[in-house]
Parts: sequence; structure tokens; C-alpha cells
Amino acid sequence: GAVVSQHPSRVICKSGTSVKIECRSLDFQATTMFWYRQFPKQSLMLMATSNEGSKATYEQGVEKDKFLINHASLTLSTLTVTSAHPEDSSFYICSARQVRADTGELFFGEGSRLTVL
Amino acid sequence: LAKTTQPISMDSYEGQEVNITCSHNNIATNDYITWYQQFPSQGPRFIIQGYKTKVTNEVASLFIPADRKSSTLSLPRVSLSDTAVYYCLVGSSNQAGTALIFGKGTTLSVSS
Repeated sequence: GAVVSQHPSRVICKSGTSVKIECRSLDFQATTMFWYRQFPKQSLMLMATSNEGSKATYEQGVEKDKFLINHASLTLSTLTVTSAHPEDSSFYICSARQVRADTGELFFGEGSRLTVL
Repeated sequence: LAKTTQPISMDSYEGQEVNITCSHNNIATNDYITWYQQFPSQGPRFIIQGYKTKVTNEVASLFIPADRKSSTLSLPRVSLSDTAVYYCLVGSSNQAGTALIFGKGTTLSVSS
């Protein structure tokens, strides 16, 4: 089946630094990818929709200048957390949908755990 | 996007059948119902998807009544490894650019 891969799976950084997380669709092309954030014992919260070749669409309350999203190719989207602070520590998950005749299953990456010290 | 309501938590024992019901009163005509499973520190994993009536695969069954305002995920003979959070989502299956919005999910705890 379709696979979405994220890298890195875990990252620890100092406050004030920037961190980039990559999301790749390994065996299908995704014109759209989605970024979610999940805090401990909470559900996934949609942050933004990443569109290949155009600007991302951010959900209300998500700072576009802090969470930079680039979707330069049909198989790669990146999320950069700029000037990270401890409150940005979270589990970041990307996903992409492969439209097929039988199902519109949304495939998720393994997630990336960010810890900001 | 339709809002879903699920029980916050459920407890079961190994070997039992578990049924998790989800309410989605505002489901749209072109919305599908999809269930995902999530283990700690992992991304959600697709379990099953359906539009109406009953769908069965190798891991679960999905029952959807005629009015489609609810659905029930049935896990036969659960094991300890089925302990996870289960999310019910509704949304259009054919729109690649449409994200799925997650509700709170149901935390299933299976004991021996």
C-alpha cells in the first residue's frame, strides 16, 4: 500500500533554533499533503494544507511565519518550525491522500517528535 | 465537515468483541466514514472505510445504518495489542485536497 515517510522521527533542539521536518510520499504522487500536530493525550489538530507549487493554507490560529511549509515536488513537503520555543514541543504528523476508485484513504507518516529545550 | 462523537474510553478483556459507536448526525451525502487506529508516538493507521450497510475486512467490521447518522466499528476477539486510540472520521473520499478533521477518539484498553 501507499507509504508516507517522515524524517526525522525525533529531534531535540535548543530554544530559538529552527527545525525542518520532511514528509515524503514514497510510492505515489501527492499534490496535497496535510500537517497535523498532536499534544500528549490529545487528538490530532490540523495545522495546514500543503499544496504542491503554491502556498500552504493554514488553519485558524496557526502562525504561517512560524510554521513554514514548502511543497516543492509531488512527493515532498517540508515543515520548518522557526525560532522554536518549548511550547512548540509536540508530535508532528504529515499525511497525504491517494485518490483511488475504491477508497480515499488518508495515509499518515510515522510522526516526528520535537522537543525544544 | 461533519462532527463526530465517540465515547472517550472503553475497557475490554482479551478475546472479547468490542463495538465502538460513533455519531455523525450531520454527515453529507458524499461523505464516507473512516476509522483509524493510533498507537502512542505513531501516526494513525487506516482500519476500515464504508459508505453504507456493512463492510468487513481482515481486522474489523463497520456497520452503518440506513440513515448513516452513526456507525459502529466492531473488533472481533481483541488482544492486548489492540489497546490504542480509535478515531471515527467522516469526509469526502474523492477530494484529494480535503483533510480529515479528527475528533477526540476512543481510548480502548484491553486487559488480560
